[in-house]
Amino acid sequence: GAGVSQSPRYKVAKRGQDVALRCDPISGHVSLFWYQQALGQGPEFLTYFQNEAQLDKSGLPSDRFFAERPEGSVSTLKIQRTQQEDSAVYLCASSHLSGHGFDEQYFGPGTRLTVT
Amino acid sequence: AQSVTQLGSHVSVSEGALVLLRCNYSSSVPPYLFWYVQYPNQGLQLLLKYTTGATLVKGINGFEAEFKKSETSFHLTKPSAHMSDAAEYFCAVDFGNEKLTFGTGTRLTIIP
Repeated sequence: GAGVSQSPRYKVAKRGQDVALRCDPISGHVSLFWYQQALGQGPEFLTYFQNEAQLDKSGLPSDRFFAERPEGSVSTLKIQRTQQEDSAVYLCASSHLSGHGFDEQYFGPGTRLTVT
Repeated sequence: AQSVTQLGSHVSVSEGALVLLRCNYSSSVPPYLFWYVQYPNQGLQLLLKYTTGATLVKGINGFEAEFKKSETSFHLTKPSAHMSDAAEYFCAVDFGNEKLTFGTGTRLTIIP
């Protein structure tokens, strides 16, 4: 595809349910990032992969959040036992080489998660 | 602590008027600086970025920004606003650790 795609675009979950959010990066992009954007706020970093290696997960808010990228392409962000405070838009971005500032991060449209 | 501050969560300008969106950062190391635009229900689109070199950076859609190290600022400007510029604008900084730190955003409204 031409850009980063994410699915589903919208997800409603009951509190306590597990959810899985998918990101398809631009083909050939080495780096992949997840960000969380709460209503009225800027995106906040969650985690970063270079190929299949998760190099930084310092932004994951709790151990209920887990991300993987097993083959260095598609990534899944999983949230276990969802809570209302998890309601947000989850953005995925990819970049060609390293995540260094020289390389632009291309963002997907996001998945809007609503926990009821 | 490293942080990004956008002054003014809402800015309104008349069509044809100057657009000025402010961004300041705090960092002890030279950062890489970005401006992104977000239209409703869409992802972020890069407007422009500063990495090294010329401090006045030109981007898409007629926007430009100037990196002022002494003021730790990277304000975004456009000489003449168009209705299509109405959107949310985010300043973002790479403090050298591979991830972007975003400001809280500025919603730009264009008055016909």
